[in-house]
Amino acid sequence: GEDVEQSLFLSVREGDSSVINCTYTDSSSTYLYWYKQEPGAGLQLLTYIFSNMDMKQDQRLTVLLNKKDKHLSLRIADTQTGDSAIYFCAESNGSSNTGKLIFGQGTTLQVKP
Amino acid sequence: GAGVSQSPSNKVTEKGKDVELRCDPISGHTALYWYRQSLGQGLEFLIYFQGNSAPDKSGLPSDRFSAERTGGSVSTLTIQRTQQEDSAVYLCASSLVLSGELFFGEGSRLTVL
Repeated sequence: GEDVEQSLFLSVREGDSSVINCTYTDSSSTYLYWYKQEPGAGLQLLTYIFSNMDMKQDQRLTVLLNKKDKHLSLRIADTQTGDSAIYFCAESNGSSNTGKLIFGQGTTLQVKP
Repeated sequence: GAGVSQSPSNKVTEKGKDVELRCDPISGHTALYWYRQSLGQGLEFLIYFQGNSAPDKSGLPSDRFSAERTGGSVSTLTIQRTQQEDSAVYLCASSLVLSGELFFGEGSRLTVL
């Protein structure tokens, strides 16, 4: 079945760039998403990319999509301590974009001052 | 309110009891979703409602789980005869239209003793 895989933990120094990686299996997914979860809070949509795009940039965030390898990454430039959170990659279930998403297990980003 | 509201925020129950979890979506959002977040399992889709259409119940793990959405607004997730494996955070989300751009509540943490 469909699956989304992420590494569980990443530690960076404040000011460095962070790169969080994700692989997915459903090649028919039309949208891929990055959500952020801060401690004790619900998930917050950070950004998303349509499957016919290779890259999307939004301020400090850059999303890269390699559809051939089914690999998605999120780069955070100039990482701040406030970026410490769990980051979830998610794919839309199949070609329809219904909000029925398949999430990875989340990558915990630790930013050291 | 401004965001998705869930209650209770914490619920401790004994195995075999029934529980009800409530979700109040963002006003005007036509779609409402329930997800479950378990340790080691990540987020899994349970059910979604869209307008007056029949809900997509494909993620409900057993017939002990049910949900309804009254008047196109508030939703209740009911778990009958709770088991210890039902312990998780139950997250509700809503979206303006059916899409992956979800607005999540803070969740209801269920502990089954």
